[in-house]
Amino acid sequence: KQEVTQIPAALSVPEGENLVLNCSFTDSAIYNLQWFRQDPGKGLTSLLLIQSSQREQTSGRLNASLDKSSGRSTLYIAASQPGDSATYLCAVIKTSGSRLTFGEGTQLTVNP
Amino acid sequence: GAVVSQHPSWVICKSGTSVKIECRSLDFQATTMFWYRQFPKQSLMLMATSNEGSKATYEQGVEKDKFLINHASLTLSTLTVTSAHPEDSSFYICSARTTEANNYGYTFGSGTRLTVV
Repeated sequence: KQEVTQIPAALSVPEGENLVLNCSFTDSAIYNLQWFRQDPGKGLTSLLLIQSSQREQTSGRLNASLDKSSGRSTLYIAASQPGDSATYLCAVIKTSGSRLTFGEGTQLTVNP
Repeated sequence: GAVVSQHPSWVICKSGTSVKIECRSLDFQATTMFWYRQFPKQSLMLMATSNEGSKATYEQGVEKDKFLINHASLTLSTLTVTSAHPEDSSFYICSARTTEANNYGYTFGSGTRLTVV
């Protein structure tokens, strides 16, 4: 059974700091991995999707890496802003069309 | 990009009544949709997977007669909470897998806050 773990559970940083969120998964046989953001009381917004054949994806200040063999992914946020405050969730997909397996999320607070 | 519209965003209903939540894919065909429930400060819990034109597959412990799912078209899935009770109060979120999953992966609706009084 696939298990996804996110560390840390919560993180508080001053504005402008670069930060890394970690995600690990127990079964390396994944189809792809997706990072999401969730604001309080809202749905999930997709940030980055990394296919199993890829090692990283970038969008603006965000960079996500994937190391399948070690079962790890990181989300790097550069020059953090208060608007980045949210819960960040990573999820893995075992096969095309199958369910997402979520981590418990990292609650990020960026202080002005 | 792929957009999923979920309505209503919030609803308050009386105990014993039924509530329907809609999930629509606006610019793509969703062959598979997922329904999640989320409790405060917890991650998402998958309730059921629905495929267009066939019966939904429910997760263990989810009552299929209480949470009715209909996926009648490639752009619409509905979740009906029947005979709602206060313990059904929660945040419900739908998700759809795009047919271009390699580009968009899974897209989520904005969620529905259900309060049963």
